[in-house]
This record gives sequence, C-alpha cells and structure tokens, in this order.
Amino acid sequence: AIQMTQSPSSLSASVGDTVTITCRASQGIRYELGWYQQRPGKAPELLISSASTLHSGVPSRFFGSGSGTDFTLTISGLQPEDFATYYCLQDYNYPRTFGPGTKVEVK
Amino acid sequence: QVQLVESGGGLVKPGGSLRLSCAASGFTFSDYYMSWIRQAPGKGLEWVSYISGDGSIIHYADSVKGRFSVSRDNSKNSLSLQMNSLRGEDSALYYCVREAGHSGYDALDHWGQGTLVTVSS
Repeated sequence: AIQMTQSPSSLSASVGDTVTITCRASQGIRYELGWYQQRPGKAPELLISSASTLHSGVPSRFFGSGSGTDFTLTISGLQPEDFATYYCLQDYNYPRTFGPGTKVEVK
Repeated sequence: QVQLVESGGGLVKPGGSLRLSCAASGFTFSDYYMSWIRQAPGKGLEWVSYISGDGSIIHYADSVKGRFSVSRDNSKNSLSLQMNSLRGEDSALYYCVREAGHSGYDALDHWGQGTLVTVSS
C-alpha cells in the first residue's frame, strides 16, 4: 500500500497568516491527490481534488500544488473557520490511504 | 441536495456482528461509486471499503478483508456494510461517502455525518 506522510503534524498560526502543509507519497501518484478539512465534531469536507482543483464553493485562499510524490496545501490569509485538521488522500490506487493529518491551531 | 444518512451503529461485543446502512438522496445513486471511511476516536481517517455503481467492483482494506462485506441496493438508494468478527480496533465513527466522479479513482465529495460503532465487552 502507498504510504502517505504529512508535515507538520500540527502548527500554530494566527488569523491572517499564510500556512503550508506538505503531503508526501511513498511512490509516485501523478496528481491523484485530494485535500480534506475536518472541523471538530464534523465530517471531513473536500477542499481540493487532483492536487490542485478547488472544489465547488471552497474559498480561493486554499491552494493546492504538486505531482508525483510531493504535494502542498497553502492557506493564504487564515480565517477563524480554517482552524481544523487537514488530511491528504491518494486516489491513485487501492487501498486508498490518507495522511495522518495536520492540525492547524490558534496561536 | 446530496444527502447521506448512516444508521445501524451501536455497542457490540468482540466477535459480534453489526450491519451499517446508508440512505442516499439528491443524486442518481446508481451512477456513483461509494465508500466507507472510518475514524477511531481521536484518530485519523481510514478508508475501509468501496463499491462501484453497479456493485461489480469491490475493494476492502486489508484490516477488514474477510470480515466486512459491502453491498448496495440501487432500487432503494441504499448502501450497506456487514461487519462480522468485530474487534476492539474496529471501534470508530463510520462515514458513508460518495466519490465525485464515475471512475472509482476520484475524490470524495460528499460525506454523511457518520454512525458510531463501539466494540467492547
């Protein structure tokens, strides 16, 4: 199975900051990667598919990039509702595998 | 609008069985691949199983293979997960999830709110 890693595991930031989360796959997955946001007590929500395609209704401050094994999610101008945990998920093959998550906390 | 409503969770003893259901609405159910994703309390997300729109393609995580069985009834817009030989590590919130496209290799664009399974004696 493809292993997904994320860094950092957590970070502290303030409203208005720009934060970057990295996801790495143990083998090349082309651009077959999605990013998900999970707020406390809520189901995850799709932010970005195919590494860089913003899902309908997702604010443009979310930006995804990368291909192959290395991917990033950047949030520009952090908003109060963005404090959450973020997961990457490879869509390249089965079994699907998630990264362990990155928790974005209030500084 | 797309709605996915899970049911069937509860407390079960180790070695026991449970059947989860997911009622789908707001889209043509048979056109979409569906997955089950789970999340143990305080932990990350784990993909569990997947089934194609016509039910002909099914995959399982190694952790549940041989114990769990996914199925769907397109006439009732319903997805099911039969869970047998349950273990403590199966305790989790189980999400019913729709895949965005029709290839089986798409992002997961709609999630239910989950149903909680607790395996404990």
